[in-house]
Amino acid sequence: EPEVTQTPSHQVTQMGQEVILRCVPISNHLYFYWYRQILGQKVEFLVSFYNNEISEKSEIFDDQFSVERPDGSNFTLKIRSTKLEDSAMYFCASSENNLYGYTFGSGTRLTVV
Amino acid sequence: AQTVTQSQPEMSVQEAETVTLSCTYDTSESDYYLFWYKQPPSRQMILVIRQEAYKQQNATENRFSVNFQKAAKSFSLKISDSQLGDAAMYFCAYRTYSGGGADGLTFGKGTHLIIQP
Repeated sequence: EPEVTQTPSHQVTQMGQEVILRCVPISNHLYFYWYRQILGQKVEFLVSFYNNEISEKSEIFDDQFSVERPDGSNFTLKIRSTKLEDSAMYFCASSENNLYGYTFGSGTRLTVV
Repeated sequence: AQTVTQSQPEMSVQEAETVTLSCTYDTSESDYYLFWYKQPPSRQMILVIRQEAYKQQNATENRFSVNFQKAAKSFSLKISDSQLGDAAMYFCAYRTYSGGGADGLTFGKGTHLIIQP
């Protein structure tokens, strides 16, 4: 079964550093998403991406965050200057259309120290 | 804005028994989608079941079924013949039906399901 692949599985970074989280969505999917889950809390929507542009973003997705689809396969989330409160599990997801649920990746655990 | 409420932080059930997880939501929309996702200790999010609001028939996937009450804005998940592998966090989620842009899911806080052997 096709999978959404996220790398790395765990990243530790120093506060103030830039970090890029990488995702390879399912190849025929058109819609891409990033979600965040702070430990012990619910999953929160960050941003959706379609047709090479941001389609929707939440209030969490401020100027520190950006997304990019640099080639035909990767979808990245960049955090410019990480804060301690950015420590969380980050999930990438993709869907073929916007009518159904998504396929989520296994997540990247980001730890900011 | 839509909200999703899961009032049971934790539920426990004996193996082979049936358990029902509750979910309510608030929306002013008439068309939308509802989902249950499972998150095992590996923390991967796995789609369990999906329901379209315009469908009256409750969705079923093997041992998993839902009780969708649109007027009451309730969407409970029933797990029959519980297995040890069902132990996980279960999240209820809502998605608007926009027909256009890539809308995000709104999740509840989750219910931790424990399976007693």
